[in-house]
Amino acid sequence: EIVLTQSPGTLSLSPGDRATLSCRASQSLSSSYLAWYQQKPGQAPRLLIYGASSRATGIPDRFSGSGSGTDFTLFTLTISRLEPEDFAVYYCQQYGSSPRTFGQGTKVETK
Amino acid sequence: QVQLQQWGAGLLKPSETLSLTCAVYGGSFSGYYWTWIRQPPGKGLEWIGEINHSGSTNYNPSLKGRVNISLDTSKNQISLKLSSVTAADTAVYYCAREANDYGDFGWFDPWGQGTLVTVSS
Repeated sequence: EIVLTQSPGTLSLSPGDRATLSCRASQSLSSSYLAWYQQKPGQAPRLLIYGASSRATGIPDRFSGSGSGTDFTLFTLTISRLEPEDFAVYYCQQYGSSPRTFGQGTKVETK
Repeated sequence: QVQLQQWGAGLLKPSETLSLTCAVYGGSFSGYYWTWIRQPPGKGLEWIGEINHSGSTNYNPSLKGRVNISLDTSKNQISLKLSSVTAADTAVYYCAREANDYGDFGWFDPWGQGTLVTVSS
């Protein structure tokens, strides 16, 4: 089973700041088989990014994703300028192998 | 636009069987895997398993032996049964559609609204 480790656990920022969230896989995903989700209290997760860098339908372009290098183990979600509605918990999910697994989440909170 | 609506019993006693149903509206049922995912209160997400329109299933080994996912193609519904529940199975349970562009597996979108299932004596 591939373990995803997200860092930091909590990010304390202000509206307008840039947020950088990381997700590291315990082994290679073989390709850009990584998705990012946003979850607000009492709501289901919402897909933001798939294929490491493709934005889902309706997702603003302040959200971007990337993968580092060619080993497909380190991925980043960047929110270029935080809007008030972006304060939430973010999860990464790998689909390079089964079982599909999720990271433990990064909470983006208001500073 | 595909929408998923789910329902089921929210309070169970230990050793009982959890039973949830998810209906798919507004889109094709075939050609996708349909998935169950759960989230214990205040914790992260765990993939439970999936089924496609042909009835082919895959389960998380951590739950294998207790979980069964089935489908009713005439109603565009999928169901989850989890037997011998304990307090550790207390969670919000979500159904979701799995999509992909290449490869064997994919991401989850859209999601159902979630159902809180509490296991308590």
